[in-house]
Amino acid sequence: NAGVTQTPKFQVLKTGQSMTLQCAQDMNHEYMSWYRQDPGMGLRLIHYSVGAGITDQGEVPNGYNVSRSTTEDFPLRLLSAAPSQTSVYFCASSYVGGIDTEAFFGQGTRLTVV
Amino acid sequence: RKEVEQDPGPFNVPEGATVAFNCTYSNSASQSFFWYRQDCRKEPKLLMSVYSSGNEDGRFTAQLNRASQYISLLIRDSKLSDSATYLCVVAPKGGTSYGKLTFGQGTILTVHP
Repeated sequence: NAGVTQTPKFQVLKTGQSMTLQCAQDMNHEYMSWYRQDPGMGLRLIHYSVGAGITDQGEVPNGYNVSRSTTEDFPLRLLSAAPSQTSVYFCASSYVGGIDTEAFFGQGTRLTVV
Repeated sequence: RKEVEQDPGPFNVPEGATVAFNCTYSNSASQSFFWYRQDCRKEPKLLMSVYSSGNEDGRFTAQLNRASQYISLLIRDSKLSDSATYLCVVAPKGGTSYGKLTFGQGTILTVHP
């Protein structure tokens, strides 16, 4: 019953450091995505993937890299952390189906860049 | 202009009240519409999809007006447990793009005794 699992739940980085946020799902969903949530901004799409080996940019991709080597995993890499990347990050997955497909979210990673 | 706009509130209502949230979207090609609920410091969870014919799930009623590009959510007989942020969400038309969700900034609801 794991669903979408994100690690870590909390992280503090220094400016310029790099790190990878992990996301794994056990529902065999084709579609996975990363969002960031900032106060007053709602969730914004960073990167998404429609299947293993296929990724594309969302609304706010700068400063982030992704890869999708397996159906289950979709890590998000911060190349050189900046204070502007302080945010709550959510990973989501869904199957590519009808028009009202539900997205399932992980519990989020709260990242602070100092 | 934001692609999906909501009144951020907050809405403070007593138990038993009826409360309505509104949302407008700018992309006329949008295909799918949802309301998600997000509890404080938690992940968003699907509350209900929204269909052109309108749909109801217990105390919750959602309406979609494609001509006006307007979505609404009505909550009747509010409960303390309804306190949360309600997110208006749209998705574009076309195959695998269904998962590319665009979120409003959310409307905060507090139900008090």
